[in-house]
Amino acid sequence: DQQVKQNSPSLSVQEGRISILNCDYTNSMFDYFLWYKKYPAEGPTFLISISSIKDKNEDGRFTVFLNKSAKHLSLHIVPSQPGDSAVYFCAADAGGTSYGRLTFGQGTILTVHP
Amino acid sequence: EAGVAQSPRYKIIEKRQSVAFWCNPISGHATLYWYQQILGQGPKLLIQFQNNGVVDDSQLPKDRFSAERLKGVDSTLKIQPAKLEDSAVYLCASSPLIEAFFGQGTRLTVV
Repeated sequence: DQQVKQNSPSLSVQEGRISILNCDYTNSMFDYFLWYKKYPAEGPTFLISISSIKDKNEDGRFTVFLNKSAKHLSLHIVPSQPGDSAVYFCAADAGGTSYGRLTFGQGTILTVHP
Repeated sequence: EAGVAQSPRYKIIEKRQSVAFWCNPISGHATLYWYQQILGQGPKLLIQFQNNGVVDDSQLPKDRFSAERLKGVDSTLKIQPAKLEDSAVYLCASSPLIEAFFGQGTRLTVV
């Protein structure tokens, strides 16, 4: 059972435009969400997170939106740069006794063309 | 600040052989994780340590996988005997809170 799903395996965007990466979850116990970026031959790198008490969190060019009723979150990158080309993973934490145990989606490969 | 260190980077073994991976977390991080990432999938948690105690190992195939964290710092993950389906990248991560910091991983190929 895939509790965190990233239904788009890949996304291609022109430099300077907006990249929108989507993530859906099924477990209503998840209360903290994270996005990681991964370059080839490297481990995932933490990008941005959001608590379930918020619906938006911004950090520079990166904004994460959370829609709890729809169990959906998205990562917006504006403007997109070629260096943003990587695999992006959505992850969720259930807190409580599961604190720190992340459930990851399958990842979305983002390609930003110059 | 030094990151999470893992070794080896790559390992190729034959099925039924044994293999061990090593991880040195970020200094001061009490929580350490081992994740398995199969090609085309997201990382899957195998085991979580808090200091030198196991918090969760419910997804660790205990018939062949074992892990320990001596003195609450370094950790080793062992597979014995390996199967073809164990081919994956094994990621170690450490955390001060929720955000996990990952090492580069060990790519294991079982032939």
